[in-house]
Amino acid sequence: EAQVTQNPRYLITVTGKKLTVTCSQNMNHEYMSWYRQDPGLGLRQIYYSMNVEVTDKGDVPEGYKVSRKEKRNFPLILESPSPNQTSLYFCASKQGGNTGELFFGEGSRLTVL
Amino acid sequence: GENVEQHPSTLSVQEGDSAVIKCTYSDSASNYFPWYKQELGKRPQLIIDIRSNVGEKKDQRIAVTLNKTAKHFSLHITETQPEDSAVYFCAASKHNAGNMLTFGGGTRLMVKP
Repeated sequence: EAQVTQNPRYLITVTGKKLTVTCSQNMNHEYMSWYRQDPGLGLRQIYYSMNVEVTDKGDVPEGYKVSRKEKRNFPLILESPSPNQTSLYFCASKQGGNTGELFFGEGSRLTVL
Repeated sequence: GENVEQHPSTLSVQEGDSAVIKCTYSDSASNYFPWYKQELGKRPQLIIDIRSNVGEKKDQRIAVTLNKTAKHFSLHITETQPEDSAVYFCAASKHNAGNMLTFGGGTRLMVKP
C-alpha cells in the first residue's frame, strides 16, 4: 500500500529536550516536505527536499532541521524544542514537478511544555 | 513569494445547499491550483485540481473555476451532504518553484442535516 508514515503520532515533551519525528514514504517520490498546521494559519511549510542530499527552507524553518540521506526518509529534528513549536506536523511527498498530488502522512501532534 | 488568501474561514450550510470557497493568489506565474479536503482528525487529501490553461473543471458535485486575470479561483460544492463537512484548503504552485505548494488558511465547512 502506497503511504507516508510518520512517527511518533503523539508526543508530549519538555522545553529543550531534543526530538526527532521520522517520515518514510514507499512511493519512490523525489519530493518530500514538512508542514505544520496551526488553527487559522493553514499549512505552513517548514523544510522541503527535492531529492537525496538536497534540502531547503520553507516559510517557517526556524528551530527545525532536516536531512535527506535516503530517498524514502526525511526526518524532522527539533534540537531544542520550545512551546511555540507545539503544533500538528505533517510530512508529505510527491513526484517531481509542480503538479500532481501531494501525499500526506497521518500527522504528528507535538506538545512542548 | 506566493501568498494565498482563502475566504471564508468558516462556512455553514444546510444539507442540499451549495457551498462556495474562494481563494486569491499573488504570483501571476502560478499555474497549478489544487484543493485539499481534511476531515476531522485525518490527513489532507486532494479532491480536485486545475491548471492555468483551463477555466473550469468539474468532478461530480465539485467544481473549480479559475480567473487568471483576477488571480482568483473558487471551489463549488453542489447538493452538499453531511460527509462534505471538513476543512478545505486551496493552494497555488508554479513550475520550478522549490517550495511547491503555498496553502491558503483553510475553510471549515459545516453541513447541517
